[in-house]
Amino acid sequence: EVQLVQSGAEVKKPGESLKISCKGSGYSFSSYWIGWVRQMPGKGLEWMGIIYPGDSDTKYSPSFQGQVTISADKSISTAYLQWSSLRASDTAMYYCVRRDIAMVIFDYWGQGALVTVSS
Amino acid sequence: EIVLTQSPATLSVSPGERATLSCRASQSVSSNLAWYQQKPGQAPRLLIYGASTRATGIPARFSGSGSGTEFTLTISSLQSEDFAVYYCQQYNNWLTFGGGTKVEIK
Repeated sequence: EVQLVQSGAEVKKPGESLKISCKGSGYSFSSYWIGWVRQMPGKGLEWMGIIYPGDSDTKYSPSFQGQVTISADKSISTAYLQWSSLRASDTAMYYCVRRDIAMVIFDYWGQGALVTVSS
Repeated sequence: EIVLTQSPATLSVSPGERATLSCRASQSVSSNLAWYQQKPGQAPRLLIYGASTRATGIPARFSGSGSGTEFTLTISSLQSEDFAVYYCQQYNNWLTFGGGTKVEIK
């Protein structure tokens, strides 16, 4: 069974750094792109970026380029989303997603990780 | 960037009735369109891809149609578990999501 299991909720202060994780199982982690999707409170879905764990090729949505860093460690089947300096506007639910092997659609989703940034 | 506009923003439907949701693209996306369902407190799940192909395990009451710039998701007879928010997503030119349609109980 394919599963994406994300790290837990985080409460941080503005200016702090953060790295959240997403562990894949039940499939060949290195062979599928893993992406991140943001959902701000009460809002819609926004694609942030995507990484191919096999060679760490990474693509970012223009809206998130330079704002976050996406990485992966294929040896432990885990992808990461990282901020160096959080802002209150980063408060959101973050989902990791697996991209279908042939199409840019997301066939499996993690359970989500709520990040709250507040002073 | 391709913009997807979903309408209506909210759709009030009685159980057992038919629901029709629309997704319009700012330029042609061919048939490279997917639909997702998100229930409260849950992650979205893939319903439809290729504009009209149901994903694994999706009931036949969900159907998708359209191509180019105009797309429709139809739920033939709404069940209680279908009240949710629905998003379209294009993948013809990288990817973007629509703003969502909330299907609520009338």
